[in-house]
Amino acid sequence: DTAVSQTPKYLVTQMGNDKSIKCEQNLGHDTMYWYKQDSKKFLKIMFSYNNKELIINETVPNRFSPKSPDKAHLNLHINSLELGDSAVYFCASSLRDRVTPLHFGNGTRLTVT
Amino acid sequence: KQEVTQIPAALSVPEGENLVLNCSFTDSAIYNLQWFRQDPGKGLTSLLLIQSSQREQTSGRLNASLDKSSGRSTLYIAASQPGDSATYLCAVKGKAAGNKLTFGGGTRVLVKP
Repeated sequence: DTAVSQTPKYLVTQMGNDKSIKCEQNLGHDTMYWYKQDSKKFLKIMFSYNNKELIINETVPNRFSPKSPDKAHLNLHINSLELGDSAVYFCASSLRDRVTPLHFGNGTRLTVT
Repeated sequence: KQEVTQIPAALSVPEGENLVLNCSFTDSAIYNLQWFRQDPGKGLTSLLLIQSSQREQTSGRLNASLDKSSGRSTLYIAASQPGDSATYLCAVKGKAAGNKLTFGGGTRVLVKP
């Protein structure tokens, strides 16, 4: 199946821990994104990489560090987790053009206790 | 700064009625506008993408219009079905740095049998 896949689907952890979310796409896209969807369902972009180069870095605490080993992968590492980090995190990919829609993964629901 | 608004936040209609979903945006310097569908616990699925030079796009029972000068888009779903129940989000790809996609808050639709 061609898709954007992210793991894990659910992540429950305690405050202060460090965790990672992985994302992979096999669509041949050159741009990947991390979005955060809060409890009110607003989607906000966090980061975007194009061919392993960071192109968007919104106002996100530096406890969040994205890593792109190649253009098909974009992982998100979070240090010193806080209660406010609880949300659903979506990975997405596209081509850096004006006509390719964004393709989303199914999300990772992070719960920090 | 681009802001995207969707009104109403929720909509309930009987099966068979046509659905009209509205999206407005503040900065008309966009490359495209996309409509997505999100089912509970799932990622977003792209429905239609309208380029800034286009006035409308159609796919089956879905038709989306774009009036860039007034900052508005409308998604029409003809002859609604219970399976159309979902949250619908619009997003604009701006010409500002990074070409990021800015999302509206979504319209939650319930089609009653």
